[in-house]
Amino acid sequence: SQKIEQNSEALNIQEGKTATLTCNYTNYSPAYLQWYRQDPGRGPVFLLLIRENEKEKRKERLKVTFDTTLKQSLFHITASQPADSATYLCALGGTGNQFYFGTGTSLTVIP
Amino acid sequence: DAGVIQSPRHEVTEMGQEVTLRCKPISGHDYLFWYRQTMMRGLELLIYFNNNVPIDDSGMPEDRFSAKMPNASFSTLKIQPSEPRDSAVYFCASSSNSNQPQHFGDGTRLSIL
Repeated sequence: SQKIEQNSEALNIQEGKTATLTCNYTNYSPAYLQWYRQDPGRGPVFLLLIRENEKEKRKERLKVTFDTTLKQSLFHITASQPADSATYLCALGGTGNQFYFGTGTSLTVIP
Repeated sequence: DAGVIQSPRHEVTEMGQEVTLRCKPISGHDYLFWYRQTMMRGLELLIYFNNNVPIDDSGMPEDRFSAKMPNASFSTLKIQPSEPRDSAVYFCASSSNSNQPQHFGDGTRLSIL
């Protein structure tokens, strides 16, 4: 069965630095990958989608890369702010309408 | 534009009782998903519908769980009888297409005593 691994430990970084979150997967060839943000007591909120034929996607301070050879996606938040503190989830989707979420990485940006 | 609406936000009940969770998707979205989130297992897909028809229910843990979508604007997830291990946060999400971003409700926090 497919397996999705995100940073197992919570990530603490200083305000202004770049946060890098990792999503690794095995036993699966996704057609696309999505990143979501989840705040306590709320549902996940969509941030970015990247397809298998795309190497990189950007949106404001966010950047996502997708390496199908390494089976890895990296999610970057540049010039991080305390408001970026949340749990970030990656999700894989394929042509068969299957959709799998990782367990998430908790990010804390320290002022 | 209203997002996905779930009710109730919190539910506390004793084991053996029937529990019904409700969801109103975003108007015009053809796909509806039910998820369960726990610390141990993360976010798990239970079942999803396309145009009110259940497509994949392989994530439904057992026969105690059932889901219906009688029309395009309403879905229910029912647990009968409930057990303490069913305690979790249950999310409903909708999307316009199977490979489009999903829009989540704020979930129902379920506690079975």
